[in-house]
This record gives sequence, structure tokens and C-alpha cells, in this order.
Amino acid sequence: KQEVTQIPAALSVPEGENLVLNCSFTDSAIYNLQWFRQDPGKGLTSLLLIQSSQREQTSGRLNASLDKSSGRSTLYIAASQPGDSATYLCAVDTGFQKLVFGTGTRLLVSP
Amino acid sequence: EAQVTQNPRYLITVTGKKLTVTCSQNMNHEYMSWYRQDPGLGLRQIYYSMNVEVTDKGDVPEGYKVSRKEKRNFPLILESPSPNQTSLYFCASRAYRGSSYEQYFGPGTRLTVT
Repeated sequence: KQEVTQIPAALSVPEGENLVLNCSFTDSAIYNLQWFRQDPGKGLTSLLLIQSSQREQTSGRLNASLDKSSGRSTLYIAASQPGDSATYLCAVDTGFQKLVFGTGTRLLVSP
Repeated sequence: EAQVTQNPRYLITVTGKKLTVTCSQNMNHEYMSWYRQDPGLGLRQIYYSMNVEVTDKGDVPEGYKVSRKEKRNFPLILESPSPNQTSLYFCASRAYRGSSYEQYFGPGTRLTVT
């Protein structure tokens, strides 16, 4: 059974810092891994999708990497801003018609 | 604008009173699904639908029903809600992208059952 873990559960940093969020999964047989952002009272916004054949994806200040063999993904946020404060979720598509989610990392970026 | 919409966004109800949460997508996606999100448990799939009239159970289907009579709509039905169904509910659809699927989520429905 696929399990997804995110560490840390919460993170507080001052504005401007570069930071790394971690996601690990137990079964390397995945189709893709998706990073989402969740703001209070709002839905999930897709940030990056990494196909199983890819090593990384970049969008603006965000860079996500994927190492299937070790069951790990990282989301790197450069030059963090207060507007980055949110909960970040990673989810893996195992090909069984669903995503398996981690419980998220709650990020607070202070001015 | 491409989107998944849900209604209502917030709902407080009492035990046993039937309710329906609607979900609609305007992207012509064949696949739709429902998840619930609970603290410490993450998001878990309730039901999914591969196409019109094709539905199947996810990981936590007990106490829920769904229907898929039209491609764009996928309502979630709670015939007799109980307090343990108090949760944040998300509807999703997906599109084929590259060599796999990318999921799109609605804004969520916060349900409280007293």
C-alpha cells in the first residue's frame, strides 16, 4: 500500500529565505507526482507535475525534483515571500484511479 | 475559465437529514472524483467516475452515494449524514497530460454534521 509522508509538518521562516519541503513515498511504481498549494478556505492549486520519467520541473521560484528509486521528492522555494504562506501537499498517482496524498507542510513566511 | 465548481461551500446540518453536494466541471473531462480531508489523515478518495454512468468506490465510500448522469456533473449524496462525516470535501477532475494525468480540484465544501 502506497504511503506518502511529508516532513516537516510545519515550517516558519523569515522572508527571503530559500527553503526545501520534503515528500517521501513507499512504493516507487508511480505514474507522476504532483505538488499542490492549499490556502485556507480555498481549494487545491496545482503547482508542479513531475512525470515518472522526469527528474525535475520548474515554475518561477519553484523547483520540484523526483527520485523514484529512493522514493523522494523535494519542493524548493527560492527567495520566499509572505504570499507563499500556505499548506503544501504532495500526491502520487499510482495508476489506481486516485491520488495518494501526504498530510502536508504548513508554511509561514514572516515579513 | 476552466474550473471545477462545488456547491454549497459551507453547510451545517443535523444527523440524518439527507443532503447533496454538487460538483461541476467545464473542461469536458471524463474522470471525476470526490475526496475528503481530515486533520492528520490527509485527503482520501470517496468515489470516482471514469465516465457517464460509470462509478466506483474509493478508499472511504461508506455512507456516501454518487451519480454520473452527465459528463460535467458528479454530485455527492449523503443519505443519512452522521457526525463522523464532518469534513472538508473536494471534487476533482483530471486531464491527460504528457504521459499521465493531472488533477484539478474544486474549492472545497466544509460540512458540519451535528
